[in-house]
Amino acid sequence: GQQVMQIPQYQHVQEGEDFTTYCNSSTTLSNIQWYKQRPGGHPVFLIQLVKSGEVKKQKRLTFQFGEAKKNSSLHITATQTTDVGTYFCAGSGGSYIPTFGRGTSLIVHP
Amino acid sequence: EAQVTQNPRYLITVTGKKLTVTCSQNMNHEYMSWYRQDPGLGLRQIYYSMNVEATDKGDVPEGYKVSRKEKRNFPLILESPSPNQTSLYFCASSWGAGGLYEQYFGPGTRLTVT
Repeated sequence: GQQVMQIPQYQHVQEGEDFTTYCNSSTTLSNIQWYKQRPGGHPVFLIQLVKSGEVKKQKRLTFQFGEAKKNSSLHITATQTTDVGTYFCAGSGGSYIPTFGRGTSLIVHP
Repeated sequence: EAQVTQNPRYLITVTGKKLTVTCSQNMNHEYMSWYRQDPGLGLRQIYYSMNVEATDKGDVPEGYKVSRKEKRNFPLILESPSPNQTSLYFCASSWGAGGLYEQYFGPGTRLTVT
């Protein structure tokens, strides 16, 4: 079945540094979603990417979908302590049943 | 307020004692799903439902049952829980297929099976 790999598993940064998490799929995706889970909380939807090569921005967050629609990335510029949490990608094939990556836990040191 | 509710939030039980975790949404969503979250393994889908009376297996369905008799409710049933089902469980709902629309997650149910 479809597999979505996400790296790194953990990332420690100093406040103000940048952060990037990457997702790679074994198959071509129809779309990809990103979620954020704060410690002790539940996943919350951030964004969905559909088009090949698509780039979307939300303030300090930049999301990219690869040209081949098999990889995606989330980049946070100048991290803040409010960015702490686990970021998940979720890729879907033609059935649009999502497969989640294992997540990247971001730890921000003040 | 639009929300997904789960009950109970915490549960400690013993091996073999049947239990049900309830999930309800008030957004008239067609799609509902159950996930389990384990350290280092992310979110793994147990079952999903595209609509009333339409359920399908996810990636890790063994040991679980679900039903979708009403649009708003999607209970998760563990007929004979085992320690390897100790986990954090999330219910989610969305307008359509979960990969096409934003999924709204419930607060989670932390289950411990001894």
